[in-house]
Amino acid sequence: GAVVSQHPSWVICKSGTSVKIECRSLDFQATTMFWYRQFPKQSLMLMATSNEGSKATYEQGVEKDKFLINHASLTLSTLTVTSAHPEDSSFYICSARDRWDNEQFFGPGTRLTVL
Amino acid sequence: TQLLEQSPQFLSIQEGENLTVYCNSSSVFSSLQWYRQEPGEGPVLLVTVVTGGEVKKLKRLTFQFGDARKDSSLHITAAQTGDTGLYLCAGADGSARQLTFGSGTQLTVLP
Repeated sequence: GAVVSQHPSWVICKSGTSVKIECRSLDFQATTMFWYRQFPKQSLMLMATSNEGSKATYEQGVEKDKFLINHASLTLSTLTVTSAHPEDSSFYICSARDRWDNEQFFGPGTRLTVL
Repeated sequence: TQLLEQSPQFLSIQEGENLTVYCNSSSVFSSLQWYRQEPGEGPVLLVTVVTGGEVKKLKRLTFQFGDARKDSSLHITAAQTGDTGLYLCAGADGSARQLTFGSGTQLTVLP
């Protein structure tokens, strides 16, 4: 079946540093990937839509200069949290949409803790 | 903005009991999906419903899509402790195929 991986699965960083999270589709090509954020006991909130070879589309209220998204290939999208602060601590989940049948598959998530 | 409200938000029941989770919206969706998520993991797709009035069964789970494609329900029969988790509904719009997630229902099944 289709598999989406995320790396790292968890990361702890100091306030002010930048953190990069990778999202890979392992056995299919994804022209579109989505980045979500989830706080404890809450639902997923869409942050941005990442399109291969073009700029990401950000949801209202999400700072594009703080959450940099790059989708340079059909199997990889990265989310960089720049100048991270404790309030950025959250569970970040990506999903990838198969380019041929539009089905969407979710990654296992990345737990970010900013000290 | 399309909103999906789930109810109840929290549900704690004894093993063997039945339960129903509701997902309601004022918007029409081209399809609706139900996911189950465990702590520290990504959501896992349970089912996709597409046609208004559609009913799908997955062992002890029964999913229904409203006739107007604005609401859905998930019914679990004879709940087991392994059913514990966060249940999320998500609606897809016809164009961008983005998913709008519901507010979630945290289910705890006690032994």
